[in-house]
Amino acid sequence: DADVTQTPRNRITKTGKRIMLECSQTKGHDRMYWYRQDPGLGLQLIYYSFDVKDINKGEISDGYSVSRQAQAKFSLSLESAIPNQTALYFCATSEAATDTQYFGPGTRLTVL
Amino acid sequence: AQSVTQLGSHVSVSEGALVLLRCNYSSSVPPYLFWYVQYPNQGLQLLLKYTSAATLVKGINGFEAEFKKSETSFHLTKPSAHMSDAAEYFCAVSDSGSARQLTFGSGTQLTVLP
Repeated sequence: DADVTQTPRNRITKTGKRIMLECSQTKGHDRMYWYRQDPGLGLQLIYYSFDVKDINKGEISDGYSVSRQAQAKFSLSLESAIPNQTALYFCATSEAATDTQYFGPGTRLTVL
Repeated sequence: AQSVTQLGSHVSVSEGALVLLRCNYSSSVPPYLFWYVQYPNQGLQLLLKYTSAATLVKGINGFEAEFKKSETSFHLTKPSAHMSDAAEYFCAVSDSGSARQLTFGSGTQLTVLP
């Protein structure tokens, strides 16, 4: 089984809808991250969490919110989706002692 | 603030030829540097990382990268390209402080020609 899983893998939704993307990990890592990937822009950090009670905004957090339900679960929500949030979204985890991040397979989100 | 510049959004090489993917960084503190690879429809996978030990870092699949502080570079190389190396490659930098956030470059798409 994969260490970092994301659901759903693909989602098409309409403008104004609320969407939740979920991430689960079995690596036992404390730190979790949400990124979005757009062609030609690399990955941009949306939110990160160093433990269940620690949530931090990344460089592009506007329009997004997160919930860290447990050490192993970190969800990303779009309260009112808009077309420019169409992108590939990745969850990642890391140990506190290292910088190496381990990525999930991604969720392709399309907002019409 | 740290940043990463990857020169060349697309690189094409022939099978068996040298692969050279360029990465330059800026960081106000000693950096940790990474190369990740992304195959189609997959997440990112770590190729190698530099954490202030040896300046020449060997990674998986025959790749290596050399940290050159004077040039603020961390270029990725492989002596002989294989068709399976076709993918997108991302360079990333992390400061060595407690925040440990990764800043990614915009990526280089590698095409391997038969």
